[in-house]
Amino acid sequence: QKEVEQNSGPLSVPEGAIASLNCTYSDRVSQSFFWYRQYSGKSPELIMSIYSNGDKEDGRFTAQLNKASQYVSLLIRDSQPSDSATYLCAVRGTSYGKLTFGQGTILTVHP
Amino acid sequence: NAGVTQTPKFQVLKTGQSMTLQCAQDMNHNSMYWYRQDPGMGLRLIYYSASEGTTDKGEVPNGYNVSRLNKREFSLRLESAAPSQTSVYFCASSDRQGVSPLHFGNGTRLTVT
Repeated sequence: QKEVEQNSGPLSVPEGAIASLNCTYSDRVSQSFFWYRQYSGKSPELIMSIYSNGDKEDGRFTAQLNKASQYVSLLIRDSQPSDSATYLCAVRGTSYGKLTFGQGTILTVHP
Repeated sequence: NAGVTQTPKFQVLKTGQSMTLQCAQDMNHNSMYWYRQDPGMGLRLIYYSASEGTTDKGEVPNGYNVSRLNKREFSLRLESAAPSQTSVYFCASSDRQGVSPLHFGNGTRLTVT
């Protein structure tokens, strides 16, 4: 079992819709959770971080964390074509700050 | 406001050649990391340095060495390049362990023929 798993997609949504991206992780004691966006040929950029159970909202983005189910998700409301990218879920366990990444979900928002 | 700077941006090597990838950060971060990214594999940790003076192996360290030159700089060396090392390499840094996210450099695209 991979430490961090994401559906690789591609996930295609129409402009204005809600895009839902999911991630599961295997280490029950994981403490920190991050979502990165990566455009083709570019480096990952942080869009959301979440540390406790529940929802965290930032503009059109909402991260949701459920530690009991070992599940973290990212919702993008009012999706725009500029949101088309690969979204990486990253999880940090308890030791030395190492961040483990999922393989990424490709999101395409079509006009 | 440079953040994390990597050099070079592109490199082509022949099998058996050596090279060093350079990374520097100006955010006064304690921890630095080297990842490689391959299609369908996500980002995999090669080596990391939790603080100045320490380095440790990550998930895929074979064929690589690192040097934490000072707090700012963390280099990755390929002693004898192999085609399997063709990849995009990212350097990253973070502040407090266990809490802070990673800040990435722009990457180095390496091709080994």
